[in-house]
Amino acid sequence: SQQGEEDPQALSIQEGENATMNCSYKTSINNLQWYRQNSGRGLVHLILIRSNEREKHSGRLRVTLDTSKKSSSLLITASRAADTASYFCATGGGSNYKLTFGKGTLLTVNP
Amino acid sequence: NAGVTQTPKFRVLKTGQSMTLLCAQDMNHEYMYWYRQDPGMGLRLIHYSVGEGTTAKGEVPDGYNVSRLKKQNFLLGLESAAPSQTSVYFCASSYWAAAQYFGPGTRLTVL
Repeated sequence: SQQGEEDPQALSIQEGENATMNCSYKTSINNLQWYRQNSGRGLVHLILIRSNEREKHSGRLRVTLDTSKKSSSLLITASRAADTASYFCATGGGSNYKLTFGKGTLLTVNP
Repeated sequence: NAGVTQTPKFRVLKTGQSMTLLCAQDMNHEYMYWYRQDPGMGLRLIHYSVGEGTTAKGEVPDGYNVSRLKKQNFLLGLESAAPSQTSVYFCASSYWAAAQYFGPGTRLTVL
């Protein structure tokens, strides 16, 4: 069963705009990770945020985590056409090494 | 480094046939995973391994078997393929509680 649920399912923006994707989950977690998948390719890890962290940055990516609301958001600033991909959140629970993935948000960045 | 590689990239089977998917990683990761990805379902964990000689069931293990005879290899077997096993299969590896590195995927069609 899916632990994380991304919202929206699809997002279309213009190049240069910011893109925000949200992830909600149901049970307690140790960490939450975001992955990107280009069409027909494997997933690529973007960022990991631990349950005791509230915000993390990596380049144009900003991730927030609110454990009280069981939610996370991924912000991509100044989007580029190359950012077009599906984005998945994945939660790590008690075992830590196993992840449960959401169904993803399909981001389209129009040039 | 090649990272995570998967063999084959594509395969078409007839119902009842068997096959083995091979995953290899050169990052000395202890943990390895097999997922399947179906449209609208995200990634679901089939089996995983926490070290050489160990395997464990994930979320959707029925109809699959795995083996981890060497640390760098993780094999996924289908003994009697069924149309419901048509999917894209991804292998991944990781250290404990860390990012997972994914292979490029195997697209399997069962007729």
